[in-house]
Amino acid sequence: GAVVSQHPSRVICKSGTSVKIECRSLDFQATTMFWYRQFPKQSLMLMATSNEGSKATYEQGVEKDKFLINHASLTLSTLTVTSAHPEDSSFYICSARSGLAAPEQFFGPGTRLTVL
Amino acid sequence: GENVEQHPSTLSVQEGDSAVIKCTYSDSASNYFPWYKQELGKRPQLIIDIRSNVGEKKDQRIAVTLNKTAKHFSLHITETQPEDSAVYFCAASFGAAGNKLTFGGGTRVLVKP
Repeated sequence: GAVVSQHPSRVICKSGTSVKIECRSLDFQATTMFWYRQFPKQSLMLMATSNEGSKATYEQGVEKDKFLINHASLTLSTLTVTSAHPEDSSFYICSARSGLAAPEQFFGPGTRLTVL
Repeated sequence: GENVEQHPSTLSVQEGDSAVIKCTYSDSASNYFPWYKQELGKRPQLIIDIRSNVGEKKDQRIAVTLNKTAKHFSLHITETQPEDSAVYFCAASFGAAGNKLTFGGGTRVLVKP
């Protein structure tokens, strides 16, 4: 149980284009999903918290107009990187929490984004 | 906000020896402390976690201890094996803050056969 998938696993795009990443909880309903970014040999940095049916809460320094997050259902959250630039190249990982009383987070396999 | 410090950043041990990773946190309200193992290019995998009402938890070769007064917690791996080689992350979260995880900087563990 507690399986989280992400799609795509790897994407290469041109500078200036937008990329959408999907995060799905496969066998449970995720009340909250989180989006992280991880640069090579660094730790996971939380970008935003996404609650189903409401606006995402962004961490300080994360541009909400650049990283659009939508959590339309209890099993799907999407992250769209708009007007991507080479410095946005990173490993993007989502996680999901199954309930308000459950602190455990289950991570997706990540999406490697390369912006040329 | 919460700040989590993790040491050491790299750790090399001989197969069969023990490995210890230490973390400190700043927010005394934090009440959940998971440890994740991440292999290169893969997702973080939860290996053990502890809540603030418990001082120690063990699962086979892995144990975690928590000292709330000192605000630090540690991961202990005994009888290390080459497959334990990975990057390990500690984290802390607080329920009323939406259970946001704040991660430590990570420890790269290398188990030499």
